[in-house]
Amino acid sequence: GNSVTQMEGPVTLSEEAFLTINCTYTATGYPSLFWYVQYPGEGLQLLLKATKADDKGSNKGFEATYRKETTSFHLEKGSVQVSDSAVYFCALSRKNSGGGADGLTFGKGTHLIIQP
Amino acid sequence: DGGITQSPKYLFRKEGQNVTLSCEQNLNHDAMYWYRQDPGQGLRLIYYSQIVNDFQKGDIAEGYSVSREKKESFPLTVTSAQKNPTAFYLCASSIWDRGLGELFFGEGSRLTVL
Repeated sequence: GNSVTQMEGPVTLSEEAFLTINCTYTATGYPSLFWYVQYPGEGLQLLLKATKADDKGSNKGFEATYRKETTSFHLEKGSVQVSDSAVYFCALSRKNSGGGADGLTFGKGTHLIIQP
Repeated sequence: DGGITQSPKYLFRKEGQNVTLSCEQNLNHDAMYWYRQDPGQGLRLIYYSQIVNDFQKGDIAEGYSVSREKKESFPLTVTSAQKNPTAFYLCASSIWDRGLGELFFGEGSRLTVL
């Protein structure tokens, strides 16, 4: 079945450091790929997405490229800020045989801590 | 403003009691979902509904029940059969799409069994 593997945390960085959070997936077909962010005590917010191979999603300085050959969707940011501290989830779409979406399959999340 | 409203935000219950979590959306989305979040385990799908009066089990449906009588509402009941109900519960919705699958989430309900 479909699955998502992302690096374990917590990941601790200093402000202005370069960020990479690895995400690889196993899926049949051509899923859409997502990064969501969760701040303490809140629900998840969509950060970025990509719907086909070689697409690059970007938002708020974060980027991720859909790499079908390596089944990866790594999240990057050139210079992190304290306000980026949160839990980040990689996810892929669960398509059913009828062509509709059955929600998303999520990775376990990576807790990111940015120190001033 | 359009969005998803979950209530209550915090809930305490005694063992053996059923409890119902509310989820309402005004985004006119066809599909709705319930996820459970536990520390270090990510999100796991409990139930989902793609249309009114129809719903499907997700990966961890045992001990839970849902209904979908209205497009806007998808309540989740945590029954006494759920062995470990203490968790953070997230409701989400999406359009009936071509597989883009983007979900919009509520702010969650934290259930604690005493």
